[in-house]
Amino acid sequence: GAVVSQHPSRVICKSGTSVKIECRSLDFQATTMFWYRQFPKQSLMLMATSNEGSKATYEQGVEKDKFLINHASLTLSTLTVTSAHPEDSSFYICSARKLAGTLNEQFFGPGTRLTVL
Amino acid sequence: QKEVEQNSGPLSVPEGAIASLNCTYSDRGSQSFFWYRQYSGKSPELIMFIYSNGDKEDGRFTAQLNKASQYVSLLIRDSQPSDSATYLCAVNLPTGANNLFFGTGTRLTVIP
Repeated sequence: GAVVSQHPSRVICKSGTSVKIECRSLDFQATTMFWYRQFPKQSLMLMATSNEGSKATYEQGVEKDKFLINHASLTLSTLTVTSAHPEDSSFYICSARKLAGTLNEQFFGPGTRLTVL
Repeated sequence: QKEVEQNSGPLSVPEGAIASLNCTYSDRGSQSFFWYRQYSGKSPELIMFIYSNGDKEDGRFTAQLNKASQYVSLLIRDSQPSDSATYLCAVNLPTGANNLFFGTGTRLTVIP
């Protein structure tokens, strides 16, 4: 199997607070995990690529100091939204890459819906 | 030109019909291709992958790949209302960080 979990599934916070989202690969090791954001009725937007043991690679326009990513182990990556504001309200989804030969499958977590008041 | 393009739809088909979803990609060196299904408010789930030219069948789903035309499609036979979702095409480009490039998705509605 290839199960990816995310926690929490839903969070509501006040403006200015920080929120940490965890992404875990439960039955496989993932040297690479990805963080996406999706606004209502829009497509997935890749925010950053999280590599185990090294710094994350951020996509253009994504502030690395605002979206802190840590990939401390082969099964866990965390995304911290610092000083969250209402415009950060979105659906945050992680995925973990499972290497199978030359195939590059990604399995998604169930997502975290963040609402910033 | 976007790396992966899909018709955003919506695509409506009657129950029992064949739904045909199409995707084109720009990088001729792309190696593997994926179809994900995303229900409203949920995260994407992998349906199928394909990396060789031709057809690949899995139950009611058939993925078709034509590398010469840089075209990949997903056919859903005997469409059911539960198939109503957004279908995302994703391509593994040969360069970069090996992440997948996603199309914007096609919204499919199966009408009972």
